[in-house]
Amino acid sequence: GESVGLHLPTLSVQEGDNSIINCAYSNSASDYFIWYKQESGKGPQFIIDIRSNMDKRQGQRVTVLLNKTVKHLSLQIAATQPGDSAVYFCAENRLVTGYALNFGKGTSLLVTP
Amino acid sequence: GAGVSQSPSNKVTEKGKDVELRCDPISGHTALYWYRQSLGQGLEFLIYFQGNSAPDKSGLPSDRFSAERTGGSVSTLTIQRTQQEDSAVYLCASSLVPIEQFFGPGTRLTVL
Repeated sequence: GESVGLHLPTLSVQEGDNSIINCAYSNSASDYFIWYKQESGKGPQFIIDIRSNMDKRQGQRVTVLLNKTVKHLSLQIAATQPGDSAVYFCAENRLVTGYALNFGKGTSLLVTP
Repeated sequence: GAGVSQSPSNKVTEKGKDVELRCDPISGHTALYWYRQSLGQGLEFLIYFQGNSAPDKSGLPSDRFSAERTGGSVSTLTIQRTQQEDSAVYLCASSLVPIEQFFGPGTRLTVL
């Protein structure tokens, strides 16, 4: 079936390095791809989204890249900080089917000093 | 301003009992969603409400699950005859647009 999944379950990086979190998807009909961050004991928090007709979008310290040819999505975090330690989820939405988001399983990012 | 709130934060129940989980969305948000998150897993969509439209119930796993949204605001998720596989964190979110959903802290349900 259609799915949104992640290549690696855990990622450990040193403080100050750049982080790259990857996500593969199978549904070509998605309208949006979104990244959420979930800290321990909290609900997910929106980070950034990218529309399917774009290939790059930048936010504050974050960049999302979309490669529709290989159905791959990535989240780049610049100068990773301890506060970035969390689980990161990619999700997709198809507006024609409604408002529900289809989430992947998540990647745990651990930032070490 | 206040975010999405959920109650209770934790609920322990016995198999076969009914439970009600409450969600207070952000004021003015027209859309409200329920998701379920099992240990170490992603979020599984359950149901969403959009304004006065009929809810999208396509994610409810069985007829033991139901939800209501009264007055376009507060929502209650009810699970009847709970089973051990219902144990999970139940997350509520609200939004004005579907992409940026604001999540509450969740209710951790444990069915013994």
